[in-house]
Amino acid sequence: EADIYQTPRYLVIGTGKKITLECSQTMGHDKMYWYQQDPGMELHLIHYSYGVNSTEKGDLSSESTVSRIRTEHFPLTLESARPSHTSQYLCASSGWKVGADTQYFGPGTRLTVL
Amino acid sequence: DQQVKQNSPSLSVQEGRISILNCDYTNSMFDYFLWYKKYPAEGPTFLISISSIKDKNEDGRFTVFLNKSAKHLSLHIVPSQPGDSAVYFCAATDAGGTSYGKLTFGQGTILTVHP
Repeated sequence: EADIYQTPRYLVIGTGKKITLECSQTMGHDKMYWYQQDPGMELHLIHYSYGVNSTEKGDLSSESTVSRIRTEHFPLTLESARPSHTSQYLCASSGWKVGADTQYFGPGTRLTVL
Repeated sequence: DQQVKQNSPSLSVQEGRISILNCDYTNSMFDYFLWYKKYPAEGPTFLISISSIKDKNEDGRFTVFLNKSAKHLSLHIVPSQPGDSAVYFCAATDAGGTSYGKLTFGQGTILTVHP
């Protein structure tokens, strides 16, 4: 099972601030993902990466950006936080194999923008 | 367009009994299905998966059944324990196609197991 870490676990911040949510995994997985989830709703994919220097936007439009400079690290940045960004952000990773692949999730970051 | 649906928002079960969580999908390209369990303020934990070449997969107290013709899968938990109380998400992907591992999730079902 993947070891995947997210920091901070909780963040309360004012409108207009720049924030970076950290995600790291130690399993050498090539694929990494960011999801956004609101209470009682499904997880929505907002960004994904298939490897270093690869980033793609997900199914849900997001004002955040991501980078993948190292295999193990996939940070998400919001340049100017707004109350509409309040949500839980979940990072996941999976190995690279043709066919079925299981994603393993980090503990999430609960973001509140005042 | 909700491609993966969990139509029961919640389920309440007595300890020791069977819990059955249901999931329907519409995309006929989906060929790999997963169940995750999630506690509040934590990330989802992988439980069990099934490929479309099978109709059943079992792991301890957890069994997943897949009915491809009905585009329906279910997760059975036997016996249910109070620690199983959580939100359960069904997810699907087109593993053999172009989705490259991207998952589509259902809305989740809140399972409560009463002692």
